[in-house]
Order: sequence, then structure tokens, then C-alpha cells
Amino acid sequence: NAGVTQTPKFQVLKTGQSMTLQCAQDMNHEYMSWYRQDPGMGLRLIHYSVGAGITDQGEVPNGYNVSRSTTEDFPLRLLSAAPSQTSVYFCASSKRGSGEGMPGSNQPQHFGDGTRLSIL
Amino acid sequence: DAKTTQPPSMDCAEGRAANLPCNHSTISGNEYVYWYRQIHSQGPQYIIHGLKNNETNEMASLIITEDRKSSTLILPHATLRDTAVYYCIVRVGQAGTALIFGKGTTLSVSS
Repeated sequence: NAGVTQTPKFQVLKTGQSMTLQCAQDMNHEYMSWYRQDPGMGLRLIHYSVGAGITDQGEVPNGYNVSRSTTEDFPLRLLSAAPSQTSVYFCASSKRGSGEGMPGSNQPQHFGDGTRLSIL
Repeated sequence: DAKTTQPPSMDCAEGRAANLPCNHSTISGNEYVYWYRQIHSQGPQYIIHGLKNNETNEMASLIITEDRKSSTLILPHATLRDTAVYYCIVRVGQAGTALIFGKGTTLSVSS
């Protein structure tokens, strides 16, 4: 059971290049999310998915695309990299959950180790 | 809008209890309080969460006030490895999937 696996761990791009950050989880979690973390700040939500075929925008979606064709994988695509996208990117997953509280909210998110992306 | 307020930093002596406060005065009745920590630049690590009742697990205890407007994370016997940034998060909106992170509290444990 590997949990949440992110690849690559480090990447350097030139402005205008495209790339895909990979995220895979082996826990059969319904929910998956992408966050970015800039120096000295907390994480900010980019995109999220509540299941295969369903995605939606988070707090800072511009410049990023996602798709969810399987339960296990949730790749994040940078179409035309910009220096402002230099950041550490974290992928997370969680079960849908049930019970009290807001639907889906009573299950903790499990995070990957991150991808450190530099855009020159 | 992080919906939580935490002190920017705290110090704790090794072996003593670390009590980290969090204010979430605008919390809704169906929103959980979550605590995560981040050591160096690793991925955030889940610690504990609760809705109304106090909770305890192998890592920590969570004390939620009766009006749910504030909570305290307690690390009963802090060690040097507990030095990290601790985030108090009210899980909000977007189908309950999103974690809205603030700047957290930097806990420094010293010997």
C-alpha cells in the first residue's frame, strides 16, 4: 500500500513549456485534489475531483488542467508554464465518508510528498 | 478566507505538553475541525479531527469548546520531532473535499 504517489519529485521547465504532474493513489479513494504551496504560505487548492469523470475548479485554477479517467489517477497539466507557477505541488486523496457533518467531510486527506517545480 | 486564526509561533520544552490554540468563530454546525502538520517541506500529515466532541488518538488530543468557536490541539509529551508548522483547518465547501489552509502555527520544540 503506497498511499499517494507523486512523480516527478523535482522538475525544471522553461517558460512556455508544457508538462504533466502525475498523481496516483492505491486506497480506492473517491476524492482527489491538487494544491500548490508557495514559500511561507499555506496550501491553496487548484482543482479537485469527487470521482472518475468529475472535476471542478478550486481557489487558483488558472493555467492548469485536470482530468480523472480512473479512480486511481489524477494528473495535473500545465499547458504553457509561467514563472508564477514555480511552486511545490501536492496531491491529496480521501474517502467520500458518511455520517455527521457536511457530506464527505469526515474523512482525512492523505497527501503525497510533493513535486518541486521551477520555471525559468 | 481561512476561517481560522492561530498564533504564528509557539515554543515548547521537550517532554512538556504543547497546547496549540485555534479560533474558528464563524464555523458552521456541520463543519469539522481538522489539524494537520507539515515538517520541513514534506506533504501535510493528518493529526486529528472532530465535530463536536473532544477526540484523542495516538498522536494528540483535540479539545473543542462547547460553542465550537475555538479548539486546542494537545501534544501530551512533545519531542524534537514534533517541531513543525501546525494547521488548524475548518473543512469547507466544494462538496466537503477542500481544505482551506491558513499560515498555521510554527511550533519549535527545544531540549
